Amino acid sequence: DIQMTQSPSTLSASVGDRVTITCRASQSITNWLAWYQQKPGRAPQLLIYGASTLQSGVPSRFSGSGSGTEFTLTISSLQPDDFATYYCQQYDSHPATFGQGTKLEIK
Amino acid sequence: QVTLRESGPALVKPSQTLTLTCSFSGFSLSTNGIFVTWIRQPPGKALEWLAHIDWDGEKDYSPSLKRRLTISKDTSKNQVALTMTNMDPVDTATYFCARISRTPLGDSYHYFFDYWGQGTLVTVSS
Repeated sequence: DIQMTQSPSTLSASVGDRVTITCRASQSITNWLAWYQQKPGRAPQLLIYGASTLQSGVPSRFSGSGSGTEFTLTISSLQPDDFATYYCQQYDSHPATFGQGTKLEIK
Repeated sequence: QVTLRESGPALVKPSQTLTLTCSFSGFSLSTNGIFVTWIRQPPGKALEWLAHIDWDGEKDYSPSLKRRLTISKDTSKNQVALTMTNMDPVDTATYFCARISRTPLGDSYHYFFDYWGQGTLVTVSS
């Protein structure tokens, strides 16, 4: 299985901050990567697919980049609604696998 | 409007078989490029893909759980079922169903989970 490793595991930030979350794959996944946001007690919501394509309806302050084995999710100016846990997921090869998550907390 | 909803028992005993149902609307599982998947999340832990079934009835399973899982669909009822045998306390988790809609991007297709159900918590305990 392809291992997905996110860093950091926890990130403390303030409203208005620019934050970046990193996701590394154990082997090249080209751009077969998605990012999801999950709030407590809720299902994950798709933010980005194809490493950098914003899902319809997702605010433009979210962006994704990267290819191969290293990817980033950036939130340009944190809003109160953005404090949540973020997961990356590869769909390059079977089985699909997720990172362990990055919890974004209010500083 | 695409919606998915999981249903099933909240509590099962060790060694029992779990059966979950995903009821969906807003799309058809007979449409080319559509999959319905099952994903689980133990409390406080990460997400784990379990199985999927596609528009053509093709099925795929997590290699580590393949022997215990069966996925099936009833297209006329817009439902997908997942059975997991020999349940153990480590299988305690929230179980989600989610949709994949094969999406063209550049010169290839992408397969990601675009809609999810709200999840159902299954506890395995005697």
